[in-house]
Amino acid sequence: GNSVTQMEGPVTLSEEAFLTINCTYTATGYPSLFWYVQYPGEGLQLLLKATKADDKGSNKGFEATYRKETTSFHLEKGSVQVSDSAVYFCALSDLWRGGADGLTFGKGTHLIIQP
Amino acid sequence: EAQVTQNPRYLITVTGKKLTVTCSQNMNHEYMSWYRQDPGLGLRQIYYSMNVEVTDKGDVPEGYKVSRKEKRNFPLILESPSPNQTSLYFCASSTPGQGEDEQYFGPGTRLTVT
Repeated sequence: GNSVTQMEGPVTLSEEAFLTINCTYTATGYPSLFWYVQYPGEGLQLLLKATKADDKGSNKGFEATYRKETTSFHLEKGSVQVSDSAVYFCALSDLWRGGADGLTFGKGTHLIIQP
Repeated sequence: EAQVTQNPRYLITVTGKKLTVTCSQNMNHEYMSWYRQDPGLGLRQIYYSMNVEVTDKGDVPEGYKVSRKEKRNFPLILESPSPNQTSLYFCASSTPGQGEDEQYFGPGTRLTVT
């Protein structure tokens, strides 16, 4: 079956530091890949996505590249801010199954940015 | 405003007392899902629905029921809640396609079963 593995936190960084959160996946078919963000007390919001190999998703200074050869979708940001403190989830949707059965999530990475 | 709403947002109940968490979306989405979020486990899908009167089990369906009588609503029913169902629950909806579209999540319902 499908699975997503991401580094577990908490990850604590200083403001303006470089961020990498690793994510690898296993899937049958041709998944789309997503990063969702959950701010304290809120639901999940889509941060970025990539639908095929070598696509790069980007939003709010975050980037992730769909690497089929390494089955990875690592999240990066060049200079983090205190407001980036949140829980980040890597997820996949398997196109082969039409995506209808929802998303498979990683366990989430709690990111803490200190001033 | 496009949104997914859930009610209640917080609920404390006792073992065995039937409860329903409502979910409604105003985006005319065909797909809807329920997830539970637990520390160290991330989000796990409970049930999903591809359209009215079409539902199927996700990864952790035991102890839950759902119904989809209308396109906009997808209630989650706990017939006899138990303490291991204490969790944070999210409803989500999306459009049909090739799996590349985002899911829109509700704000969550924090359930405590004592």
